[in-house]
Amino acid sequence: NAGVTQTPKFRVLKTGQSMTLLCAQDMNHEYMYWYRQDPGMGLRLIHYSVGEGTTAKGEVPDGYNVSRLKKQNFLLGLESAAPSQTSVYFCASSLSDYGELFFGEGSRLTVL
Amino acid sequence: GEDVEQSLFLSVREGDSSVINCTYTDSSSTYLYWYKQEPGAGLQLLTYIFSNMDMKQDQRLTVLLNKKDKHLSLRIADTQTGDSAIYFCAASYNNNDMRFGAGTRLTVKP
Repeated sequence: NAGVTQTPKFRVLKTGQSMTLLCAQDMNHEYMYWYRQDPGMGLRLIHYSVGEGTTAKGEVPDGYNVSRLKKQNFLLGLESAAPSQTSVYFCASSLSDYGELFFGEGSRLTVL
Repeated sequence: GEDVEQSLFLSVREGDSSVINCTYTDSSSTYLYWYKQEPGAGLQLLTYIFSNMDMKQDQRLTVLLNKKDKHLSLRIADTQTGDSAIYFCAASYNNNDMRFGAGTRLTVKP
């Protein structure tokens, strides 16, 4: 079972470049989330979606955009990358708005 | 301070018990979770407890909740080298407001 798959797993960007992280889940989950993980800090929610065609801001949304055009996919975009966005990004999904989150393996992004 | 706090490191000998502590600030948190992260992997749910419970036991894992003090602990009995990982405490009312601690890196020495 694939579960939650993130691509790419590693990426190096220069300041000002743009990129998109793709998250795909095969569990038919309604809810999907993008987190970032920084050293010495807990995971922080960037954006989330409660269903196809919906998105909402999390704790740290600035500098990111998201889209959920298909139920199984949740895209995270950086329009103009900044060094402060160097982080490990995790996608997660859940069946409902409470209960277990299923995480992808993470995407390590470095912005030079 | 942070919404969820936990110590960053814990080192134990194989066969000993490990206790990882966590404190949270939001008294409306209904669900309290422990997630495990192994190197190069995403987080996996280890166990959880509802806020109306004091204790939950699942094989080698025991979760204790002191709601008055907003203190959560995870005890791993007979700790094995395979238990070496980062353990995250999380508290939420619903998944959209889940707050994670910074993670406790557990090292198990043979």
